[in-house]
Amino acid sequence: SYVLTQPPSVSVAPGQTARITCGGNNIGSKSVHWYQQKPGQAPVLVVYDDSDRPSGIPERFSGSNSGNTATLTISRVEAGDEADYYCQVWDSSSDHPRVFGTGTKVTVL
Amino acid sequence: EVQLVQSGAEVKKPGESLKISCKGSGYSFTSYWIGWVRQMPGKGLEWMGIIYPGDSDTRYSPSFQGQVTISADKSISTAYLQWSSLKASDTAMYYCARPLVPTVTSAAFDIWGQGTMVTVSS
Repeated sequence: SYVLTQPPSVSVAPGQTARITCGGNNIGSKSVHWYQQKPGQAPVLVVYDDSDRPSGIPERFSGSNSGNTATLTISRVEAGDEADYYCQVWDSSSDHPRVFGTGTKVTVL
Repeated sequence: EVQLVQSGAEVKKPGESLKISCKGSGYSFTSYWIGWVRQMPGKGLEWMGIIYPGDSDTRYSPSFQGQVTISADKSISTAYLQWSSLKASDTAMYYCARPLVPTVTSAAFDIWGQGTMVTVSS
């Protein structure tokens, strides 16, 4: 099945930019979605279809996808952005089509 | 308001059966797929399967095929996840979720239930 690899952790100072990568074979040919999960809460969709934002999600959250890497960028990081982030794709060629990444813990210093 | 409301936490013994629920409201329940996602303690998200309540078309992840049953009762806008014989390794939080786009299996999940914690212990 398709594998999505994320760094286990990313640390960033308030006001700086956090970049979270999601690696997968030719991931640029797929639509990538990103979820934020805070402790004890359900996941929240923050970016879908590579770079679109659901209503209510700040413009500070943006996404890109090319080649073998998709990236979620959080600009002007705030303390409230501290959470786990998961990428996800739909691999139509697989018998396990909806795949989540391994997850990245973002720590705001 | 569009929402999914899940049934409450469960504590079961190995070998027991269980059915948890996910009730949709605020939208056309029969027009959107409903998926189930497992999160074991301290671990990541795993897709288990998805059902289209309109016609009960169901797809399973190979990892969960034969281990659980996903169903839906469109008359009461409720989807279900059930086990016939629980194992300790089924201890996890289970989320239902709805895709952003009607009728599209592959769309991102934009609406999530609050989760149901299932604990299996002797």
